[in-house]
Amino acid sequence: AQSVAQPEDQVNVAEGNPLTVKCTYSVSGNPYLFWYVQYPNRGLQFLLKYITGDNLVKGSYGFEAEFNKSQTSFHLKKPSALVSDSALYFCAVRDMWSGNTPLVFGKGTRLSVIA
Amino acid sequence: DTEVTQTPKHLVMGMTNKKSLKCEQHMGHRAMYWYKQKAKKPPELMFVYSYEKLSINESVPSRFSPECPNSSLLNLHLHALQPEDSALYLCASSQDGTSSGNTIYFGEGSWLTVV
Repeated sequence: AQSVAQPEDQVNVAEGNPLTVKCTYSVSGNPYLFWYVQYPNRGLQFLLKYITGDNLVKGSYGFEAEFNKSQTSFHLKKPSALVSDSALYFCAVRDMWSGNTPLVFGKGTRLSVIA
Repeated sequence: DTEVTQTPKHLVMGMTNKKSLKCEQHMGHRAMYWYKQKAKKPPELMFVYSYEKLSINESVPSRFSPECPNSSLLNLHLHALQPEDSALYLCASSQDGTSSGNTIYFGEGSWLTVV
């Protein structure tokens, strides 16, 4: 079975400060990991993914995430937050060896960047 | 170009109506998806089409009927819906099916209100 946890419902950060949105996962084999962002009244936009290789993944809008196999984590980070980063963020996982299994989403974390 | 186009953006329908949601992608993707999303919740998978064949039906009620006329188009036919079916319906596509690390790209969604 595969699952993903986003332990924080809400993250508040001041503009210009670094931000972190946490994600941990559970899979039987090796994971494919994804981050998506959803702005109000919009669809989900792909930010970045980890498939294999370098543990530090860089994505859109200055976001990056670090894959940590020992901690089964894939936290999303940005060095300097913008008010426009305020949105709902979803982490998702698929087990590489689970066959025809769909992507599993976390419950989402609402990021609020305060000016 | 990573665009998935959905129409209509907004739909209000009565419980006895028949309507359809439409989705189109021109990225050459061979997997297409329907998701349902309630406010502030993660998207829930409904159906997956892979190479124009229905590969996953997540026990969705028969009042939702998917159709994949060709590799670029995906429809969701709606009939005798209930008010609790009101939600954002997201179409998505990926290069191939669910057993891969390919990115799933989402449309902007169709807001459905059942009255």
